[in-house]
Amino acid sequence: QKEVEQNSGPLSVPEGAIASLNCTYSDRGSQSFFWYRQYSGKSPELIMSIYSNGDKEDGRFTAQLNKASQYVSLLIRDSQPSDSATYLCAVSASGNTDKLIFGTGTRLQVFP
Amino acid sequence: KAGVTQTPRYLIKTRGQQVTLSCSPISGHRSVSWYQQTPGQGLQFLFEYFSETQRNKGNFPGRFSGRQFSNSRSEMNVSTLELGDSALYLCASSHLGGEQFFGPGTRLTVL
Repeated sequence: QKEVEQNSGPLSVPEGAIASLNCTYSDRGSQSFFWYRQYSGKSPELIMSIYSNGDKEDGRFTAQLNKASQYVSLLIRDSQPSDSATYLCAVSASGNTDKLIFGTGTRLQVFP
Repeated sequence: KAGVTQTPRYLIKTRGQQVTLSCSPISGHRSVSWYQQTPGQGLQFLFEYFSETQRNKGNFPGRFSGRQFSNSRSEMNVSTLELGDSALYLCASSHLGGEQFFGPGTRLTVL
């Protein structure tokens, strides 16, 4: 079992729809959770961080964390073609908050 | 505030050579982490430095090493390059335990 799992996609959604990206992790001791966006040929860009159970909203983005289920998700409202990218879920290793374990990413395609 | 910078951006080496990559963190950030990204393995943690000390290390062979200077700038070195070392090498900086911000990366090609 991989430490951080994501569906590779592609996830295709129409412009204006809600895109839902999911991630599960295996380390129960993980304390920090991050979503990064990576455009082709570019480096990852931090979108959201979340540390406690529940929802955290920032503009069109909402991160959701459920530590009991070891599940973290990212919702993108009013999806735009410019949101088309690979979304990487990252989880801190237990006892090592500066060591991030990344999923392989979900490719999102938003079509007009 | 300037972001993380990495030099060089592109590098071509041959097997057996060694390479040194450089990373300058965001001003005020003292933690620097290095990652390797390949199509097959994704993003993998190499090591992390804080105050010139390596605090965390990933599962990479000893050919991969790094160091950090008193101004928080960091370098990583790969000796005896192999074809499989071809990858995008990413540096990220943060406050200790905080959000990590990535630089543009160094694309290494080993021929």
